[in-house]
Amino acid sequence: QVQLQESGPGLVKPSQTLSLTCTVSGGSISSGSYYWSWIRQPAGKGLEWIGRIYTSGSTNYNPSLKSRVTISVDTSKNQFSLKLSSVTAADTAVYYCAREPYYDSSGRPGYYFDYWGQGTLVTVSS
Amino acid sequence: AIWMTQSPSLLSASTGDRVTISCRMSQGISSYLAWYQQKPGKAPELLIYAASTLQSGVPSRFSGSGSGTDFTLTISCLQSEDFATYYCQQYYSFPPTFGQGTKVEIK
Repeated sequence: QVQLQESGPGLVKPSQTLSLTCTVSGGSISSGSYYWSWIRQPAGKGLEWIGRIYTSGSTNYNPSLKSRVTISVDTSKNQFSLKLSSVTAADTAVYYCAREPYYDSSGRPGYYFDYWGQGTLVTVSS
Repeated sequence: AIWMTQSPSLLSASTGDRVTISCRMSQGISSYLAWYQQKPGKAPELLIYAASTLQSGVPSRFSGSGSGTDFTLTISCLQSEDFATYYCQQYYSFPPTFGQGTKVEIK
């Protein structure tokens, strides 16, 4: 059973960089069959996809955040990470890491999220 | 960008009821739609992908239908553990996006 666990500071000052890590257990991040994503959810609001990384290091970012986001992978530690720069109060949210199958069970593109971390609250405040 | 309209935003129902939640797209997305359930303080859980394929381990009272622009999540016989918020997500167009959510509350 794959498990994902977010870690990182729960409080970040405005204009600084938010940094989170997702540790994957129960499966290899290098399997090649999945993308690894970050998603966030402000309190009481909906879900926003931030970006994804493939085991090769190739990335895709949400255009709304692209200028501030960097996602990286460390296959030796079975981890991937998120950096979000120049944060403001609007970046306060629960941040989730999640797994995206490359293909679904029928062989079609499967860019949904089948396993999620428990989420970590990041508050941007001075 | 694809606009998603999920309705209703709030649904009051009783245990045993049949409930349906709608997700409408601004343009066709074939069957590239997923549904999630989220309980307070928890991460979303995948219920259905490819519009109608039940994720392993999800009870059969959940079903999904639709293609193109109109999709439906149906819970055939609402159980106490089903009171939660439900989200649709399209993955036809980049970036993947989620509906606004439907909260299913006890009537």
